[in-house]
Amino acid sequence: DAKTTQPTSMDCAEGRAANLPCNHSTISGNEYVYWYRQIHSQGPQYIIHGLKNNETNEMASLIITEDRKSSTLILPHATLRDTAVYYCIVTAGKSTFGDGTTLTVKP
Amino acid sequence: KAGVTQTPRYLIKTRGQQVTLSCSPISGHRSVSWYQQTPGQGLQFLFEYFSETQRNKGNFPGRFSGRQFSNSRSEMNVSTLELGDSALYLCASRRDTGGAYEQYFGPGTRLTVT
Repeated sequence: DAKTTQPTSMDCAEGRAANLPCNHSTISGNEYVYWYRQIHSQGPQYIIHGLKNNETNEMASLIITEDRKSSTLILPHATLRDTAVYYCIVTAGKSTFGDGTTLTVKP
Repeated sequence: KAGVTQTPRYLIKTRGQQVTLSCSPISGHRSVSWYQQTPGQGLQFLFEYFSETQRNKGNFPGRFSGRQFSNSRSEMNVSTLELGDSALYLCASRRDTGGAYEQYFGPGTRLTVT
């Protein structure tokens, strides 16, 4: 599986959009980009995934660059409950989680 | 639809003992993966089972083992426990069809080794 690079931490104001970047420059053609988040001491929660096209669901939007070397997870209206560690992983099967980005949503 | 369940939720064991953790996947999911999470090492992949066969394995010693039953339920076993095995053990299941690999995690089992 390709390695991903994410910023260690980010802050976001409540009600504003949170944009979380992920670099995956060694991604191969059959690998998907997945995003999960983990709220303290709970199991990670699946958010969204994509291969080439941008994706949107009830939780978030995923923007993947045309060359697929990076992506951005967008939480359109962040709330305090979105404070969590966000993991970006690239996989065609076995999932390797990095350190993720700690997002803190502030009032 | 019921989520992934793990039992027990909390466990305290002594060094040298062994422990067995259980995971029941979401109905219809055939793949079950296990992860260890510690503050120092983060979320690390242990192994994955699919149709009762181990399909992938992480870099853990042989003291860590697992199995999967015909109903897709899975167990992991840790023998000769060490203090460093204290961690949150997470199980995740997925359908494994059509190229989509999204996983659904259970709440985890918190193991403390004293």
